[in-house]
Amino acid sequence: RKEVEQDPGPFNVPEGATVAFNCTYSNSASQSFFWYRQDCRKEPKLLMSVYSSGNEDGRFTAQLNRASQYISLLIRDSKLSDSATYLCVGTYNQGGKLIFGQGTELSVKP
Amino acid sequence: EAGVAQSPRYKIIEKRQSVAFWCNPISGHATLYWYQQILGQGPKLLIQFQNNGVVDDSQLPKDRFSAERLKGVDSTLKIQPAKLEDSAVYLCASSQDRGLKGAIYFGEGSWLTVV
Repeated sequence: RKEVEQDPGPFNVPEGATVAFNCTYSNSASQSFFWYRQDCRKEPKLLMSVYSSGNEDGRFTAQLNRASQYISLLIRDSKLSDSATYLCVGTYNQGGKLIFGQGTELSVKP
Repeated sequence: EAGVAQSPRYKIIEKRQSVAFWCNPISGHATLYWYQQILGQGPKLLIQFQNNGVVDDSQLPKDRFSAERLKGVDSTLKIQPAKLEDSAVYLCASSQDRGLKGAIYFGEGSWLTVV
């Protein structure tokens, strides 16, 4: 079983839609979680951190459920520019080892 | 501030040949990572350095891959001999705080095609 698992998609949504991505992790010792965004043929970039209390940044909301070992990302009012692959990331050990999921592809259509 | 620099950007080699990738992290970043990203997959950690010491190399295929960071600054990843399944993007990244806050910064990657 992969340490961090995501639905690869693709998710095809119209502009203005709300879309949610889910991610599960297998190692209960995982310490911190993040969402990264990767545009086509570009490097991944940090989108936001994920906290148990929830984390909101504009149209983006991330949530962590440690009991279920489940992470989510909600995007409201989707824009064409949101089209990208969204990578779920967990950290392990004090050494800060970052484990990436396989990514979920989002395509926002006009 | 200059980002993570990598070279070469693109490389095509035949199987069984060797290749080397170079990375210069963001100035002052003690932690350096090499990730392998195969098309359609997420990045997979190959090796993590803290200064010039190895923190994790558990997923590095040591029979063919090697990496060094001799002076604790720039780093080289080598593959010898290359296999077809090594075709991927090799991403170098660096961070100030061992990635504990999730903020690791990637270079643009070195795209390898093995034919």
